[in-house]
Amino acid sequence: GPKVLQIPSHQIIDMGQMVTLNCDPVSNHLYFYWYKQILGQQMEFLVNFYNGKVMEKSKLFKDQFSVERPDGSYFTLKIQPTALEDSAVYFCASSFGLGGRRAEQFFGPGTRLTVL
Amino acid sequence: GDSVTQTEGPVTVSESESLIINCTYSATSIAYPNLFWYVRYPGEGLQLLLKVITAGQKGSSRGFEATYNKETTSFHLQKASVQESDSAVYYCALGVPYNQGKLIFGQGTKLSIKP
Repeated sequence: GPKVLQIPSHQIIDMGQMVTLNCDPVSNHLYFYWYKQILGQQMEFLVNFYNGKVMEKSKLFKDQFSVERPDGSYFTLKIQPTALEDSAVYFCASSFGLGGRRAEQFFGPGTRLTVL
Repeated sequence: GDSVTQTEGPVTVSESESLIINCTYSATSIAYPNLFWYVRYPGEGLQLLLKVITAGQKGSSRGFEATYNKETTSFHLQKASVQESDSAVYYCALGVPYNQGKLIFGQGTKLSIKP
């Protein structure tokens, strides 16, 4: 089936540094998402993105977070600066639409971010 | 708020035995949520297992079934006879109809099948 890729699979950085997580969504999808899962906890919605704009974001999507998809390439999540509590697995997803069959979200395998 | 609670794992079941993973939801801001089961096999991304959008209906896929019960606010996942290949982490989730841009997940249940 359609695949979403995430690069890198694991990233270790020092607190205060900037990090960019990359997502290669399904090629004809129009909606893009990030979810965050802290070890042992639920996967939680961060943000969704359509047509170059953030549609909805949760309270977890702090001011230090930003998303973009320049030139229709990777969908990225940037954290600047990082904090210890940003350590988690970040999952990217994409879908063709928001309703019916087109709303099915396809997920990547996740990027494990460790902030030291 | 809106939330999902499911069977705490890990769960171990012997091959060919039956399985039930419980899922209950609270949807205070969503009148008629859509309900989902997702599965993550080792090394892979989360993938949709089944989805039900109407209360009272049953969804099924790969031998798994789940019935959307509005009275008990439940969406339990069942399988009559599990196989070793069913070892995975299973997630129950709810979403807003026609605006499924934000899924609310349960904590996941890790299932291991004993051969």
